[in-house]
Amino acid sequence: KAGVTQTPRYLIKTRGQQVTLSCSPISGHRSVSWYQQTPGQGLQFLFEYFSETQRNKGNFPGRFSGRQFSNSRSEMNVSTLELGDSALYLCASSSQGDTDTQYFGPGTRLTVL
Amino acid sequence: KQEVTQIPAALSVPEGENLVLNCSFTDSAIYNLQWFRQDPGKGLTSLLLIQSSQREQTSGRLNASLDKSSGRSTLYIAASQPGDSATYLCAVRGGSQGNLIFGKGTKLSVKP
Repeated sequence: KAGVTQTPRYLIKTRGQQVTLSCSPISGHRSVSWYQQTPGQGLQFLFEYFSETQRNKGNFPGRFSGRQFSNSRSEMNVSTLELGDSALYLCASSSQGDTDTQYFGPGTRLTVL
Repeated sequence: KQEVTQIPAALSVPEGENLVLNCSFTDSAIYNLQWFRQDPGKGLTSLLLIQSSQREQTSGRLNASLDKSSGRSTLYIAASQPGDSATYLCAVRGGSQGNLIFGKGTKLSVKP
């Protein structure tokens, strides 16, 4: 079974731009979560989608948004990029979300200049 | 608010040594606890998942225990190998929040 895939793997943007990251979960998984990883803050939860509905949201500004499609693929969007948004963005999938193992993708490395 | 702490932040051991990584959490109302491994610049690899009703889980040379009442989990690695060198992360899934809350990790280096 193919693992979680994320595209693109690397992105370089400038301040003020917007960016869209994509995540394809493991086949059959309906829950997709997004995390931001930085050296200072570690891994922080952004949001979780389950069957196209946002089920949970972390403490991030409204510039961070996401959605999930009927095939469970998910996208996250960051508008008006700031230097502090530079991070590794990780996506995780699981079959149910609340009790199952979370499987992570390789991440998208975003650099904001 | 749930907080997860991992001690030590870094650990260096010679090959073949048995070792224990520690994880503590402040709120015992958890659904489960998961241990991950992360290699530099890569995503997370799930190692073990312990449900709140379980005391331990084993996979090969790895054994994870959970003591909810004391808010602690340990990851035991037997006969360490250089390939075990990575950052090990502990994460809990809380009651009302539902998302994973991570510790900052323990960076393990196993010297040949």
